[in-house]
Formats: sequence, structure tokens, C-alpha cells
Amino acid sequence: GAGVSQSPRYKVAKRGQDVALRCDPISGHVSLFWYQQALGQGPEFLTYFQNEAQLDKSGLPSDRFFAERPEGSVSTLKIQRTQQEDSAVYLCASSLTGAPGNTIYFGEGSWLTVV
Amino acid sequence: QKEVEQDPGPLSVPEGAIVSLNCTYSNSAFQYFMWYRQYSRKGPELLMYTYSSGNKEDGRFTAQVDKSSKYISLFIRDSQPSDSATYLCAMSAEGFQKLVFGTGTRLLVSP
Repeated sequence: GAGVSQSPRYKVAKRGQDVALRCDPISGHVSLFWYQQALGQGPEFLTYFQNEAQLDKSGLPSDRFFAERPEGSVSTLKIQRTQQEDSAVYLCASSLTGAPGNTIYFGEGSWLTVV
Repeated sequence: QKEVEQDPGPLSVPEGAIVSLNCTYSNSAFQYFMWYRQYSRKGPELLMYTYSSGNKEDGRFTAQVDKSSKYISLFIRDSQPSDSATYLCAMSAEGFQKLVFGTGTRLLVSP
């Protein structure tokens, strides 16, 4: 596709459920990022991939959060035993190489509500 | 205290006005500075990117970075109703791998 595609766009989960959020980056983009955006806040970094290698996961808030990109293209962000504070928009982004000057393109986000 | 501070607004201006949006930051290691525009229920879209201090102009948009004051600005000339959105500043110390965003300023341009 032309842009970064995320699914599902909207997800309502009961507290304690596991959720999986999918990201299809722009074809050929080596770098992939996940950000979390709470209501009324700016995005906060979660994790970063270069191809299939997860180079930085310092932003993942707890060990309930796990991200993977096994073949260097599609990525999945998994949240186990969801809590109400996990309610947020999860943004995926990609760039050609991650080098300075390469534009980072964001998807429209997956809106997660935990009830 | 957050690394990047940004007034959440909303900032309301009439069409045609000059808009000034600002961020301050505390981390002197930041050297890459960006402005993103985010429409409701959409992802952020890159508007401007500046490396280190200085000015950059692109059409109606001008970005300024003053590293000595740890202060960045985005100016929008001849504002249009279609500019109504949330404007996020973002910055990083090492390339684009890990951006630190401000909270965003909501801008409303009335016809």
C-alpha cells in the first residue's frame, strides 16, 4: 500500500485480555517504530526495529508488552493481561533507513480501549 | 518535569493570521528538531525538520531553533481553516530512532 497500515483500527478489550496489534510498514522501509499516544498527550516511544532486529525496547512500559518483526516487514505489538491504563492509541511508523533526514511516516493508529 | 514542554492550547486565530507555536526542552543533547501536524483520528504528519540551530522555511511555514535558549518555534503565515489541527514538536539526540514529543498544541483557525 501507499502508507503505513495498522489493524485493527479500533479494539475494545476487557481487562485481563490479551491483544495483538498489527502494522504493515511502507514497502521497502527498513526501520519500524511503535509509539503510544494517550488522550491529550504526544506520542511516547515504545520500541524500534531495524529489519527484524529489535534495537531499542526501552520504552515498553512493562513485561506485558512485547513486539516482534520476524521477517523484517510486518510487525505485531502484543499486550498481555491488558489493564485500563493501557487504553491509548498505538501508532506504528516506518522510514526508509532510520537515518537523519529520512522522513518517518506514521499510520493512523490502533485505538485500544480497555474496559 | 517533562523533557519537552508545549502549551496544549487551544489556540484560536482568525483566517489569515500569523500563528506562532513553541516548545521548550531541557535535554541539551537534542540536535534534531521536527514539527508534526496531526488531524483528529489521524497519525502525525511531518511538516518541518531542522538539524541544530537556525531557521528553515517551506512555503507558509518557518521553523526556528535556538539551542542556546532550548527553544523552538513554528510560524504559520496566512493561516487557513485547513491548518486547524494539533501541532506536535518532536526532537531527538541521535538520529530519528527515538523521538521525544511535546504534548501538542491544538490550533483552531476560524473563517
